[in-house]
Amino acid sequence: GAGVSQSPSNKVTEKGKDVELRCDPISGHTALYWYRQSLGQGLEFLIYFQGNSAPDKSGLPSDRFSAERTGGSVSTLTIQRTQQEDSAVYLCASSPRWGGRSTGELFFGEGSRLTVL
Amino acid sequence: QQQVKQSPQSLIVQKGGISIINCAYENTAFDYFPWYQQFPGKGPALLIAIRPDVSEKKEGRFTISFNKSAKQFSLHIMDSQPGDSATYFCAASKGGSYIPTFGRGTSLIVHP
Repeated sequence: GAGVSQSPSNKVTEKGKDVELRCDPISGHTALYWYRQSLGQGLEFLIYFQGNSAPDKSGLPSDRFSAERTGGSVSTLTIQRTQQEDSAVYLCASSPRWGGRSTGELFFGEGSRLTVL
Repeated sequence: QQQVKQSPQSLIVQKGGISIINCAYENTAFDYFPWYQQFPGKGPALLIAIRPDVSEKKEGRFTISFNKSAKQFSLHIMDSQPGDSATYFCAASKGGSYIPTFGRGTSLIVHP
């Protein structure tokens, strides 16, 4: 596809259930980011993947959150034992490579809106 | 600790007016300052960006002004149009990291 694709676009789940959110980045982009956007809040960094390097997980809010990126492409963000405060829009972004690192411009998907009842 | 502070939280402007959004940062290692525009139901998209070696960058009706000594930068939208109504995020990142830290966003409404 031409842009970053995320699925599902909407997910409603019950408290305590696990959820998986998927991100398919732009082909050829080596950097991939997950951000969380809560109502009225900014963009909260969660995790960053760059090529084959170890991911930067410094933004993950708790050990209930994890993410993986398979084959340097598709990424899955997993939230275990969901809580109501996890309700938010989860945004994925990818970035092209320049000089061995991300260029700095992020291309965002439309997000996955998660509602935890 | 909020590393990038953005103001105002919301802004209402008449068509044809100038919209100004301000951001301040704390980390002097930041060297890339983008602005993103987000429409409802969509992901943010890069609007314009600046590096600290220049004090101003203009692209069409959008201008970034950068004040390194004050650690502030701002977005100016000239001749604001109703189609500019969106949420705007400033961000900052430091060399070698490329993990932008975002401000909390400004909701801009331009009245026709």
